[in-house]
Amino acid sequence: DADVTQTPRNRITKTGKRIMLECSQTKGHDRMYWYRQDPGLGLQLIYYSFDVKDINKGEISDGYSVSRQAQAKFSLSLESAIPNQTALYFCATSDIQGYEQFFGPGTRLTVL
Amino acid sequence: SQQGEEDPQALSIQEGENATMNCSYKTSINNLQWYRQNSGRGLVHLILIRSNEREKHSGRLRVTLDTSKKSSSLLITASRAADTASYFCATARNNMLTFGGGTRLMVKP
Repeated sequence: DADVTQTPRNRITKTGKRIMLECSQTKGHDRMYWYRQDPGLGLQLIYYSFDVKDINKGEISDGYSVSRQAQAKFSLSLESAIPNQTALYFCATSDIQGYEQFFGPGTRLTVL
Repeated sequence: SQQGEEDPQALSIQEGENATMNCSYKTSINNLQWYRQNSGRGLVHLILIRSNEREKHSGRLRVTLDTSKKSSSLLITASRAADTASYFCATARNNMLTFGGGTRLMVKP
């Protein structure tokens, strides 16, 4: 079984809808991250969490919110989706040292 | 804005040739990491080099780091078609990673 899973894997939605992307991990890591990737570009950090009670904004948090429900679960919400949020979204985890990050398979989100 | 910038943005080589990708960054770092991404999939960690290291090897991968020039290179020797992917450098600072834009490598059989 994959160590970091994301649901859904693909989602098409309409402008103005609220969307939640979910991430679960079985690695036992404290740190979790949400990234966005636009076509042909690198990853940009949206939010990160170093433990269950810790939530921090990344580079591009506007229009997004997160919830860390448990050590193993970190969800990303788009409160009112807009077309320029169409992108590939990745969840990642790392241990307390924060060196190597382990990525989920990604969620492809299309906002029409 | 992205801390790391890869060069070239795209690289096409024949199987068996070596592939070299470069990464430049702007601020001081704790370590620099290289990741690989197959089309549309999650990133996979390849190798990490600490700021006090100058060179590191892992299998067919060789990474160098020049902190005075704020640059790193990734060399893949004896490339294979299966090495076709995008490669990203990521600089680590204050326990956070900042990714560059990536190099798209195509290895032709």
